[in-house]
Amino acid sequence: EVQLVESGGGLVQPGRSLKLSCAASGFTFSNYGMAWVRQTPTKGLEWVASISTGGGNTYYRDSVKGRFTISRDNAKNTQYLQMDSLRSEDTATYYCARHGEFGVPFDYWGQGVMVTVSS
Amino acid sequence: DIQMTQSPSFLSASVGDRVTINCKASQNINKYLNWYQQKLGEAPKLLIYNTNNLQTGIPSRFSGSGSGTDYTLTISSLQPEDVATYFCLQHSSRPLTFGSGTKLEIK
Repeated sequence: EVQLVESGGGLVQPGRSLKLSCAASGFTFSNYGMAWVRQTPTKGLEWVASISTGGGNTYYRDSVKGRFTISRDNAKNTQYLQMDSLRSEDTATYYCARHGEFGVPFDYWGQGVMVTVSS
Repeated sequence: DIQMTQSPSFLSASVGDRVTINCKASQNINKYLNWYQQKLGEAPKLLIYNTNNLQTGIPSRFSGSGSGTDYTLTISSLQPEDVATYFCLQHSSRPLTFGSGTKLEIK
């Protein structure tokens, strides 16, 4: 059974940093691209970033480019999202998601972790 | 960025009804369209990928259709467990973009 478990969320002040982790199990992690998607009541669902199987290719939405870094450790079956220079508009539930077979995005999702950026 | 306009925002229907939800893309997305179901307090679940392919384990009452800019999710006979919010996603080009959601309730 595919499982994705996020951790690392919490309350952080504007301008500070936070690092999210996503532990994967139930599939061969190194064979799949991975992603982060966030959700707020006002903006809905937003793709944040994606990473290729080996980590050599990364992609970001414009609003987080230069501030967020997606990475992965295939030996630990874990992906990460380093979030720097956080802004209030980054407040959201962050989901870890898998890119499935044949390039189909987000075939499995974690339960999500809340990130609140506030002073 | 490709904008996804989803309609209706809210839908109330009776058990057994046929239900349709629509997504319109701001440009041709070549059938790179997925549908997701999100129940209250849960993560989204993939229902349909690439317009009309049913994800493993999803009941056959769910189906998808469309081409170009216009896409439809159909539930052939609404069941009580289908109460949820439904989202479309275009993955034709980055940034991947979602529709704003359709909240489905039972009358």
